[in-house]
This record gives sequence, structure tokens and C-alpha cells, in this order.
Amino acid sequence: NAGVTQTPKFQVLKTGQSMTLQCAQDMNHNSMYWYRQDPGMGLRLIYYSASEGTTDKGEVPNGYNVSRLNKREFSLRLESAAPSQTSVYFCASSLAASISGANVLTFGAGSRLTVL
Amino acid sequence: TQLLEQSPQFLSIQEGENLTVYCNSSSVFSSLQWYRQEPGEGPVLLVTVVTGGEVKKLKRLTFQFGDARKDSSLHITAAQPGDTGLYLCADNSGTYKYIFGTGTRLKVLA
Repeated sequence: NAGVTQTPKFQVLKTGQSMTLQCAQDMNHNSMYWYRQDPGMGLRLIYYSASEGTTDKGEVPNGYNVSRLNKREFSLRLESAAPSQTSVYFCASSLAASISGANVLTFGAGSRLTVL
Repeated sequence: TQLLEQSPQFLSIQEGENLTVYCNSSSVFSSLQWYRQEPGEGPVLLVTVVTGGEVKKLKRLTFQFGDARKDSSLHITAAQPGDTGLYLCADNSGTYKYIFGTGTRLKVLA
């Protein structure tokens, strides 16, 4: 009963390096999301995918790209990492994109990224 | 852009005390969710409230949605160390984009 799995859990990069954060869910959810969490700023949406084959920008998309590889997997890529991208990144999924009492975001455990 | 402000930002209390945290929106909520996040984990849903004036209880936690649907409160009775965590309110205004509040970090001391 894995839910949402993120890899890696920790990563240290040098400025200018690239990397991809992987996310997979096994709940047959339609929508997937990437958030970043910084002290005092709550969770901010980077990109989301309402359904397989679609992606769209959130609040803070600059410096990131995403790929919805299939219904299960949604990856986040940093092409040229910057110190401002030091953060904890969370992947989440939900059954449907529209809000309802039954629609719940299920989060992974997070990926802590440090850019030197 | 909708802004969700939570207060207080930090709260440290003794086991057995009561507390209330607040979530205020710059616009009317579509519906409101409260999540709790423990250290090293992702947020987990506590409750969803939809109707203005709605009150929901979850054991020692009481959630209230304001009549005007622009504010909400979470009251914890007889706090326990297991209640320690970051409490987040969230709304998606009927869209795909869930917006989260700034969070209240609660520490309950034994």
C-alpha cells in the first residue's frame, strides 16, 4: 500500500547542475501535482497535471519542467539548478481535479534538495 | 490571487491545554480542507468543510467554517504531544490549483 512514492529523498546539487525528481502513485488517481515548501511560505504549487497527457503551470513554475509519463508517474526536472531552488519538494495526487468532499490530496514523503 | 493567512505562526503549549488556530482567506472559499504535517512527512488530510457555519468534530479536534466562508478555525481540546505538527488550511476555489495557507506550527510539550 505505497500511495505516493518520491525519489530521491535527499539530493545535493551544485549551481547549474540538472536533476529529475521522480514521483509515482499506485492509487489510480487522475491528477498529480508538484509543490515546494519553504519556511514561512507554506506549500506553493509548481506544476500540476489534471489528467494523463496534460500539464499546466502553478504559482511558481520558473526554472522547472514536468513530464506526465503515464497515469502513474509525474516527474519534475530542474534544468539548471539555482540556490533559490533549495527547498523540500512534495508530489501529490488526487482522484479528480475538482474540489469535492471526496477529493483528497495524497502526498509523498518529500524530497529535500540543496543547491550549493 | 487568493491568499490564505494562518495564525498564529507558531504555538508552544503544555500537554492538556486547549488551543485554537485560524485560517483567513482574501476571498470566499470554494471549500476548505485542513491538513496536518508531521516532521519528515507529507501533509495528511484531517477534514473538509463545505457549508458556511459548518462545524465538524474529529475526536478532540473541532473545525468551524465561518458563515461568510472566508475564515475557519481549528480548536484542539486537551492537546497531546501527538498533536505536534504543522497545520495547513487549503482551498482550490473550484479549480485544479490547491492553494495552501502559510501554516501554524504547533508543539505540545509533555
